[in-house]
Amino acid sequence: DGGITQSPKYLFRKEGQNVTLSCEQNLNHDAMYWYRQDPGQGLRLIYYSQIVNDFQKGDIAEGYSVSREKKESFPLTVTSAQKNPTAFYLCASSIAVSTDTQYFGPGTRLTVL
Amino acid sequence: AQTVTQSQPEMSVQEAETVTLSCTYDTSESNYYLFWYKQPPSRQMILVIRQEAYKQQNATENRFSVNFQKAAKSFSLKISDSQLGDTAMYFCAFMTMDSNYQLIWGAGTKLIIKP
Repeated sequence: DGGITQSPKYLFRKEGQNVTLSCEQNLNHDAMYWYRQDPGQGLRLIYYSQIVNDFQKGDIAEGYSVSREKKESFPLTVTSAQKNPTAFYLCASSIAVSTDTQYFGPGTRLTVL
Repeated sequence: AQTVTQSQPEMSVQEAETVTLSCTYDTSESNYYLFWYKQPPSRQMILVIRQEAYKQQNATENRFSVNFQKAAKSFSLKISDSQLGDTAMYFCAFMTMDSNYQLIWGAGTKLIIKP
């Protein structure tokens, strides 16, 4: 089954802690993305990666970090510098950063306690 | 700035009815790509339909079709013979070369299909 997986589905974090959200795809896509979704708003881009070992900041990168050591994997770390991290996080991938359609994983709900 | 506006925060219709969700966008580019995504209660974001701006013919996918009015910068989604499984948030989005092919999203319309 080809697709995008995200784990965990729910994540709870204490203030001041860093947490890492996992995103894996077996679609052989070069491009991967992280979005944040807040109630009543459209998705906002955090980071994206066009290829292994390369990534670019999106509109709201402050307080987040990513790595792209393997084509299949694009983990997102929410650092303690992110002032309001409680949100729903969606990972996506596409064949390339171009006009290709982006396909999404099931998401991770992060709650800061 | 490039923006997407979905003017209907919430809509509800009876099962089997036809419903149209509105979307307007703003860009100075002539070539771009428009999308409708569906997010059901499971929160998985699912592509519904895609339209290339250079194509005059409106895209269709089974019960889903769009009315693309380029001059008016309008991209509405029509759902025919609505089903209970169509209940979801619907997001309109577009991308351009100017946006470095990043999707620009509307705030969404919550659609409820009543039995």
